[in-house]
Amino acid sequence: ETGVTQTPRHLVMGMTNKKSLKCEQHLGHNAMYWYKQSAKKPLELMFVYSLEERVENNSVPSRFSPECPNSSHLFLHLHTLQPEDSALYLCASSQGGGGSYEQYFGPGTRLTVT
Amino acid sequence: GESVGLHLPTLSVQEGDNSIINCAYSNSASDYFIWYKQESGKGPQFIIDIRSNMDKRQGQRVTVLLNKTVKHLSLQIAATQPGDSAVYFCAEIRNRDDKIIFGKGTRLHILP
Repeated sequence: ETGVTQTPRHLVMGMTNKKSLKCEQHLGHNAMYWYKQSAKKPLELMFVYSLEERVENNSVPSRFSPECPNSSHLFLHLHTLQPEDSALYLCASSQGGGGSYEQYFGPGTRLTVT
Repeated sequence: GESVGLHLPTLSVQEGDNSIINCAYSNSASDYFIWYKQESGKGPQFIIDIRSNMDKRQGQRVTVLLNKTVKHLSLQIAATQPGDSAVYFCAEIRNRDDKIIFGKGTRLHILP
C-alpha cells in the first residue's frame, strides 16, 4: 500500500452521466495530482494542487473539473465525457508541490465511457 | 518536441539474468531523473532516482546509469525475479519546480 487510495477502482459511464472520482492520501503530503494514463501513451499530468490551491492545469477540457477541499482529499468531477476519455486515472501525492519528484501514486480508477 | 522516451516497448528476460531497460531524453537541461515501476492493477511506484551531477547510483538489486553526453538513462536489474514483471517508466524533471514528464514505458517479462 502506498498510502494513497482511490475510489471507485472501476467506473463505466455513459456520455451524458455525471460522476466523480475520489482520492485520499494518508501520508501528510501537501500536494496532490491527477494523471491520465492511456494505452501506449505516457502518463499525462492533468492537474496539480499545492496546499489546496490549483497550481497547474494542463489544458484539460472543462468536462473534467477537479476539487481539493483539503490537503488529504482530491476529487475529479466528470460530465459529458467522450469515449476517448476512457483511460486509467491516477492520483498522486507528494511532500512539496509543483514538481516534487517523489510522488506516491494510488492504484487508479479504470474509466470506460460508453 | 522535447520528450522522454524508451527504446523498447517490451523486454523478455530469463529469470535470474540481469535486465537492462533504456531511456532517452532530449533536454540536456534536465537535472533529475526517476525510474518508476508499475505492476498490473497498480499505480507507478518510485524505484530509484539520480541527479544530473551523478553518473551512477545503486540501490537494492537496481542500478541507474546516466550518460549525459548522449542523453541516455538506463535501469539495470540484477538477478531478475518473477516479481520484477511490470512496466518500467523513466521520468525527467527539468528543475526542482517543474512537473514530471514520463516516458511511455517498457514492459518487462520474466521467463521461467
